[in-house]
Amino acid sequence: AQSVTQPDIHITVSEGASLELRCNYSYGATPYLFWYVQSPGQGLQLLLKYFSGDTLVQGIKGFEAEFKRSQSSFNLRKPSVHWSDAAEYFCAVGISNFGNEKLTFGTGTRLTIIP
Amino acid sequence: DAGVIQSPRHEVTEMGQEVTLRCKPISGHDYLFWYRQTMMRGLELLIYFNNNVPIDDSGMPEDRFSAKMPNASFSTLKIQPSEPRDSAVYFCASSLPPGLERTGELFFGEGSRLTVL
Repeated sequence: AQSVTQPDIHITVSEGASLELRCNYSYGATPYLFWYVQSPGQGLQLLLKYFSGDTLVQGIKGFEAEFKRSQSSFNLRKPSVHWSDAAEYFCAVGISNFGNEKLTFGTGTRLTIIP
Repeated sequence: DAGVIQSPRHEVTEMGQEVTLRCKPISGHDYLFWYRQTMMRGLELLIYFNNNVPIDDSGMPEDRFSAKMPNASFSTLKIQPSEPRDSAVYFCASSLPPGLERTGELFFGEGSRLTVL
């Protein structure tokens, strides 16, 4: 079974600083990888996803993530954070067999932005 | 188009009572998922449907939980009887049929926060 580890429970970053959120996965085959964001009191929203091809993927809101097979990682990055980026971020791994759409989510990383 | 709509947004009930959570998926989405979110266990997939048919209910905690999808625009998650450990935020999500560009793109509702006293 697949699993996802987000080692950082809480990260605090100054506005304008760069950001990297870590995600490690465990899955026997090539995974489908996702990052979702959850603002307080809201549902989750897809930021970006990786299926195959270019290992650096671009998402919404200026985020990007890089798939590194050798490290089983899919870290999320942003060069300059804004106060509105404060939220909880979830990495997820999925398998899709055109009928099986199960995603396994990590435990999340809460991002706090300070002025 | 409206997003996934869940009701109620908040529910406070007493142990032993029946709780029914409701979800209206995005029109045209063939998949519907119920997730539960708690501090201790994070996001857990409870059950998901494809074309109104339950595909995988292995995440449903126990027989007190049941889910139905009588038609393409409505689903319910019922807990009977409820217990304090059921307190959580329950999310409904929907998605289009799988395909390389759409796989894994779930559209979540705002959730139903359940408190069982």
